[in-house]
Amino acid sequence: DVKVTQSSRYLVKRTGEKVFLECVQDMDHENMFWYRQDPGLGLRLIYFSYDVKMKEKGDIPEGYSVSREKKERFSLILESASTNQTSMYLCASSLTLGPYNEQFFGPGTRLTVL
Amino acid sequence: EDKVVQSPLSLVVHEGDTVTLNCSYEVTNFRSLLWYKQEKKAPTFLFMLTSSGIEKKSGRLSSILDKKELFSILNITATQTGDSAVYLCAVVAGGSNYKLTFGKGTLLTVNP
Repeated sequence: DVKVTQSSRYLVKRTGEKVFLECVQDMDHENMFWYRQDPGLGLRLIYFSYDVKMKEKGDIPEGYSVSREKKERFSLILESASTNQTSMYLCASSLTLGPYNEQFFGPGTRLTVL
Repeated sequence: EDKVVQSPLSLVVHEGDTVTLNCSYEVTNFRSLLWYKQEKKAPTFLFMLTSSGIEKKSGRLSSILDKKELFSILNITATQTGDSAVYLCAVVAGGSNYKLTFGKGTLLTVNP
């Protein structure tokens, strides 16, 4: 079974702090994704990576950056956290792109920015 | 802009009922549609649909796609309390092969 793990289930940070969210997958998937999930807005793609050191912006990249130094690990960085970044963050991975883009999700990190 | 709309947004039923969840889409160059179930954690994959009229089935859950009318339905028969979850529909479309566009989900509550 594909396993996607995220470093924290719950995180509380203060405005202006730098925040790192880590995601690791154990199935040698090429592609990894970061989403945020908010009530009434559904899941929205922040960034994705299709290879080590390769990344592309999703729908809402502002205020975020990402890092993929190793194939199995994809990090989401909030350079200066703000209260409007309080959300549930979900990481996903997939073996292929294209129409058969079945993504496997991690358990999520619920981030609160005070 | 690609759009995926799910209905209803929430639904409360009793154990044993049959439910139908709807997902309609307006996208450019449809490729596939996926259904996920999300309890209090990671969304888990249910079905992927690419062809019209071919039912996918897993136990009490089934799903079908209509590419002419641009919608899919997810049926759950003989519901159980363990079916309580948010059901997410997502579409892969257009030139963005990586991008899943998600609907807002349907919250299903099954009462004993």
